[in-house]
Amino acid sequence: DTEVTQTPKHLVMGMTNKKSLKCEQHMGHRAMYWYKQKAKKPPELMFVYSYEKLSINESVPSRFSPECPNSSLLNLHLHALQPEDSALYLCASSQGLAGGENEQFFGPGTRLTVL
Amino acid sequence: LAKTTQPISMDSYEGQEVNITCSHNNIATNDYITWYQQFPSQGPRFIIQGYKTKVTNEVASLFIPADRKSSTLSLPRVSLSDTAVYYCLVGDPYNQGGKLIFGQGTELSVKP
Repeated sequence: DTEVTQTPKHLVMGMTNKKSLKCEQHMGHRAMYWYKQKAKKPPELMFVYSYEKLSINESVPSRFSPECPNSSLLNLHLHALQPEDSALYLCASSQGLAGGENEQFFGPGTRLTVL
Repeated sequence: LAKTTQPISMDSYEGQEVNITCSHNNIATNDYITWYQQFPSQGPRFIIQGYKTKVTNEVASLFIPADRKSSTLSLPRVSLSDTAVYYCLVGDPYNQGGKLIFGQGTELSVKP
């Protein structure tokens, strides 16, 4: 199984809602990532988990809260988002840490719209 | 901080070889260079990765000069299905001051 799955595929939420994005991989990868991608732009790294511990937070606002319950799962909890947070949210995983000799496997993304 | 620069767009015809160059003047000693392909509304897909000289796999080649300040992705005999955005990725977020940064992407359009 070389797949990263993400749910939901689409999400529409109001600025006062609380929602969560879910990511799952069963490749035994120990690094997992959240990226944000706006239209016609490259993915921007948000968070990195290594061995289920948060190792990188790229100065992401606290309305985004990541969680790694186990080595296969990664969640992104959303609260009090702004319309400018509307984007494609991508999850990725890698055997070791990206940047070194490790390719990232990306999920299909969750298309988020904040009204 | 390894900032990367790529051409915004390229056009090609089926059967031609396409070369896309990425500049990364501030690449650090430990950084690898990775290329990804992305179709609309999908996540990026790994194409190839290298550190120096030349790497080849079943879909592409990657040329990296000795100074490593640039890299060139070569796609042999492209087809319509190769129409996509291609990103180079350089960086190591675990080195002090390091960042994992995608280039701006090159939108490749393959015509019949």
